Amino acid sequence: DADVTQTPRNRITKTGKRIMLECSQTKGHDRMYWYRQDPGLGLRLIYYSFDVKDINKGEISDGYSVSRQAQAKFSLSLESAIPNQTALYFCATSGATGDSGYNEQFFGPGTRLTVL
Amino acid sequence: KQEVTQIPAALSVPEGENLVLNCSFTDSAIYNLQWFRQDPGKGLTSLLLIQSSQREQTSGRLNASLDKSSGRSTLYIAASQPGDSATYLCAVRFMDSNYQLIWGAGTKLIIKP
Repeated sequence: DADVTQTPRNRITKTGKRIMLECSQTKGHDRMYWYRQDPGLGLRLIYYSFDVKDINKGEISDGYSVSRQAQAKFSLSLESAIPNQTALYFCATSGATGDSGYNEQFFGPGTRLTVL
Repeated sequence: KQEVTQIPAALSVPEGENLVLNCSFTDSAIYNLQWFRQDPGKGLTSLLLIQSSQREQTSGRLNASLDKSSGRSTLYIAASQPGDSATYLCAVRFMDSNYQLIWGAGTKLIIKP
């Protein structure tokens, strides 16, 4: 079984709908991340969480919210989807060390979201 | 603003060739640099992680080097194979980026049989 899983893998929705993307991990990592990827651009960080009680905004958090339900689960919500949120969304995890700069990130397979 | 750049955006070479992918970054104050491979529909796979104190890392046919002073990293792929075809992404953790990875846009590599 995959260490980091994402559901759904593909989703097509309409403008204004509320959408939730889910991420689960079995790696036992404390840190979880949500990214989006657009064609021709690098990944951009939406939100990240260092533990269940620690949620932080990333570079592009506007229009998104997250929930860390448990150490192993981190969900991303689009409260009212708009077409420019059409993108590939990735969840990632990393372990905590004494120096957080040394963390290697591991990624889920991605969710392709299309907002019409 | 801290940036990571990968050039070229796409590269096509015959099977068997040795090749180099480039990554440049704007600030030498980094914690580490990570190379990933992205296959369609399969997410991202971590290939190599180089700490700021290291000059290179090797895994099989892959060798990544790091030159912080010049803001460059290279990923060397020896004896390329069609299965190496993928998009290769470089990501840098800068010291003042609040633990975030800053990503390049990737190099799409095609190995022709």
